[in-house]
Amino acid sequence: EAGVTQFPSHSVIEKGQTVTLRCDPISGHDNLYWYRRVMGKEIKFLLHFVKESKQDESGMPNNRFLAERTGGTYSTLKVQPAELEDSGVYFCASSQVLNTEAFFGQGTRLTVV
Amino acid sequence: GQNIDQPTEMTATEGAIVQINCTYQTSGFNGLFWYQQHAGEAPTFLSYNVLDGLEEKGRFSSFLSRSKGYSYLLLKELQMKDSASYLCAVRSGGSYIPTFGRGTSLIVHP
Repeated sequence: EAGVTQFPSHSVIEKGQTVTLRCDPISGHDNLYWYRRVMGKEIKFLLHFVKESKQDESGMPNNRFLAERTGGTYSTLKVQPAELEDSGVYFCASSQVLNTEAFFGQGTRLTVV
Repeated sequence: GQNIDQPTEMTATEGAIVQINCTYQTSGFNGLFWYQQHAGEAPTFLSYNVLDGLEEKGRFSSFLSRSKGYSYLLLKELQMKDSASYLCAVRSGGSYIPTFGRGTSLIVHP
C-alpha cells in the first residue's frame, strides 16, 4: 500500500509568485494534516482536515495560505503570493482515526528567492 | 503553550546504548510520541506513551514520567543506520494535534 505522497519534492520560486503543494494521504485515512518546518526550527502544525472539512486551522500563518481538500481525498496547499519567510519543508501526514499516530510524507522543500 | 526541550545533537558508537531525553511543560498532557527522521525522508513513528512507564519495542524503548514532564528514548545495539533526527512530540490541552520539539540529531560512528 502506498504511503503518504507529496508533490513536488522541491520547488524554487520567486517572491510574489504562487505555488501549490499537493498531498495524497494513505487511502482510507480521513484525517489529513499539514505541517511546516522552517530551517533550524521545530515542525509546526498548520491545519487539520477531517475528510473535506477543516477541523483546525489555527496554525495557518496568514491569509496567503489556502488549503483545500475537495472530495476528502487529496489536499492542496497554495501559497499566494509567496514571501521569503515561507521557505521551509512542508509536510503532510494522515491518520485513520484521530487518536493514533500520523504517517508522514517526505515533504516538499519550498525555497522562495 | 507548550515547551519541549531535547538535546540538539548526540554522538554514540556502533553497538552501544544511547538515551535521548525529552522534557516538556504543558497542561492537560495527553500523550507523547517519538518519531525518527532520516535526512530528506519522512518522519516515521517509533513509539507512543500516555501512561507512566517503559514501552519496549525491539531495540527501541520509550519511557514516560508524567509527574516529572520527562520522557526518554533508549536505543540499544546501535547501528549506523540509526543515525537520524529523533523528534519528541507532545499532545495536550484536549487537542489531538501533537507539538514537536526541535529534534535530536544522533550520529552513530564506527
